[in-house]
Amino acid sequence: EDQVTQSPEALRLQEGESSSLNCSYTVSGLRGLFWYRQDPGKGPEFLFTLYSAGEEKEKERLKATLTKKESFLHITAPKPEDSATYLCAVQVPGSEKLVFGKGMKLTVNP
Amino acid sequence: DGGITQSPKYLFRKEGQNVTLSCEQNLNHDAMYWYRQDPGQGLRLIYYSQIVNDFQKGDIAEGYSVSREKKESFPLTVTSAQKNPTAFYLCASSIGQGTYGYTFGSGTRLTVV
Repeated sequence: EDQVTQSPEALRLQEGESSSLNCSYTVSGLRGLFWYRQDPGKGPEFLFTLYSAGEEKEKERLKATLTKKESFLHITAPKPEDSATYLCAVQVPGSEKLVFGKGMKLTVNP
Repeated sequence: DGGITQSPKYLFRKEGQNVTLSCEQNLNHDAMYWYRQDPGQGLRLIYYSQIVNDFQKGDIAEGYSVSREKKESFPLTVTSAQKNPTAFYLCASSIGQGTYGYTFGSGTRLTVV
């Protein structure tokens, strides 16, 4: 069964304290790995798509990387407005379906 | 602007009652999806449709029904057979080809009273 595991489940940082979120997956023949941000009571907002090992993408203070078994979302010098739940998802081979991890709640204190 | 509209934002259901959640998109996307989100469990797939007049069950379809009569619309009915319907429901769409991921709606929070 395809599995996506995110760790840690929750993370508290001080403003400016950099860290990384992990997403490991067991899908064979990965077609794409997606990162989303979700604010409370709202739908997920697309951040990045990664397709192959070694690929990296950046947006403001966020940088996503991909290896053959996991992806990292690096947050550099976070601000309180980066507080949200971050979701990782992988695309199942032969399908348009996405399999999601349980998410990681990030809190950045001022 | 193109996007996905879910309505209502909040919905209350009495025991034994069927309720329907609306999802409309103007992105010209072929595929549409319904997910359920519960605290600590992540998003779970209820139903999905890759083309008009066709849909498939996801991982937790029991107690739910859908229709796809138009490309733009994919309503979800939560039936009385769903014993634990209180959750946050998310509708999404995708182009349907390739690996472009999903665009999500803003969600409907359903509560049983």
